[in-house]
Amino acid sequence: EAGVAQSPRYKIIEKRQSVAFWCNPISGHATLYWYQQILGQGPKLLIQFQNNGVVDDSQLPKDRFSAERLKGVDSTLKIQPAKLEDSAVYLCASSRMRGGSPEQFFGPGTRLTVL
Amino acid sequence: AQTVTQSQPEMSVQEAETVTLSCTYDTSESDYYLFWYKQPPSRQMILVIRQEAYKQQNATENRFSVNFQKAAKSFSLKISDSQLGDAAMYFCAWTGANSKLTFGKGITLSVRP
Repeated sequence: EAGVAQSPRYKIIEKRQSVAFWCNPISGHATLYWYQQILGQGPKLLIQFQNNGVVDDSQLPKDRFSAERLKGVDSTLKIQPAKLEDSAVYLCASSRMRGGSPEQFFGPGTRLTVL
Repeated sequence: AQTVTQSQPEMSVQEAETVTLSCTYDTSESDYYLFWYKQPPSRQMILVIRQEAYKQQNATENRFSVNFQKAAKSFSLKISDSQLGDAAMYFCAWTGANSKLTFGKGITLSVRP
């Protein structure tokens, strides 16, 4: 079974530029999550999708961050415009279903550096 | 709100020895799950072990076991026969009815050869 795929693995941009990350979850996983992990800290949930609907985006800075999962499979997370404090690793995770088996499986992450 | 606390930022263990990583949590929910995740320097987060709150028996996965004390809201991870490959950051995490994972700050484990 293929794992969660993410791209790119690394991205360096200047502040005020825009950037997009892509995630493809494990096949059959209905729930998809985006986390932000700042160096030395635990991941913080940004947004949770169930199929193509948003379940929780309470921690997403909506003035600059957006995410979509149009066909209920892969997802993109965008930052526009980026700030220095957005430098972090962005992790995507998926799980089978909300309320079912709760294990989340993580992708390798995208390390974003904002200069 | 749910919180997960890992108060030790770093620990070190001699190869082949046993080490215990501590974690406490706070929740008002009665039905929840607890996890330990491992994150090596390559950054891929890997599930080590999980514990269902309704189960009294402590979970075990090979060299990894937990000490789950529900009343004390404590969930520690014991690694036996430590190996060099166990060196990583370890995160304690909680999830409840909303399937949202709440992570602790993590602990960096180093293994001395």
